[in-house]
Amino acid sequence: DVKVTQSSRYLVKRTGEKVFLECVQDMDHENMFWYRQDPGLGLRLIYFSYDVKMKEKGDIPEGYSVSREKKERFSLILESASTNQTSMYLCASRETAVSGNTIYFGEGSWLTVV
Amino acid sequence: DAKTTQPTSMDCAEGRAANLPCNHSTISGNEYVYWYRQIHSQGPQYIIHGLKNNETNEMASLIITEDRKSSTLILPHATLRDTAVYYCIVRASPTAVTGNQFYFGTGTSLTVIP
Repeated sequence: DVKVTQSSRYLVKRTGEKVFLECVQDMDHENMFWYRQDPGLGLRLIYFSYDVKMKEKGDIPEGYSVSREKKERFSLILESASTNQTSMYLCASRETAVSGNTIYFGEGSWLTVV
Repeated sequence: DAKTTQPTSMDCAEGRAANLPCNHSTISGNEYVYWYRQIHSQGPQYIIHGLKNNETNEMASLIITEDRKSSTLILPHATLRDTAVYYCIVRASPTAVTGNQFYFGTGTSLTVIP
């Protein structure tokens, strides 16, 4: 089974702090994604990476950056956390962008910024 | 990607089959139908996907109509643990450098009743 592991399930951070959310997948997938999920807004794509050291902005990249130094690991960075970044963050991976390939999600990281 | 329409909520008795419908009348020939579910506070879980033919796996069956304008996810023997929000998504084959574009919408909230 594909396993996408997010390092932290629940975090509470202060405004202005730098926050790292880590994600690891164990299936040698090329593509990895970071989303946030908010009530009434569904899943929104923040960044994705289609290969090591490659990254592309999604729909809402402002206030975030990412790092993909190794194929299995994709990190989301909040340079200076703000209260409007309180959300559930979901990491996902996919083998490649081939027709019919499935995206697999991690368990989610609940971030509260106070 | 084609828009999908799902009922907002459904109930199902424990042990009975749960049939979750999805309309996707604007689906095009290369678009797959995917089903995910999300249990409260967890990441979305992949269930099944298909293009034209009906599909079955250990979790569920997917029935796609001949004209592909609608589909039904069948959970053959629903349990309390199947209570979740179920999302039907249709998406085209992505190009090599595009990311996600899994738009989850609001889904169907399935409640399995003891």
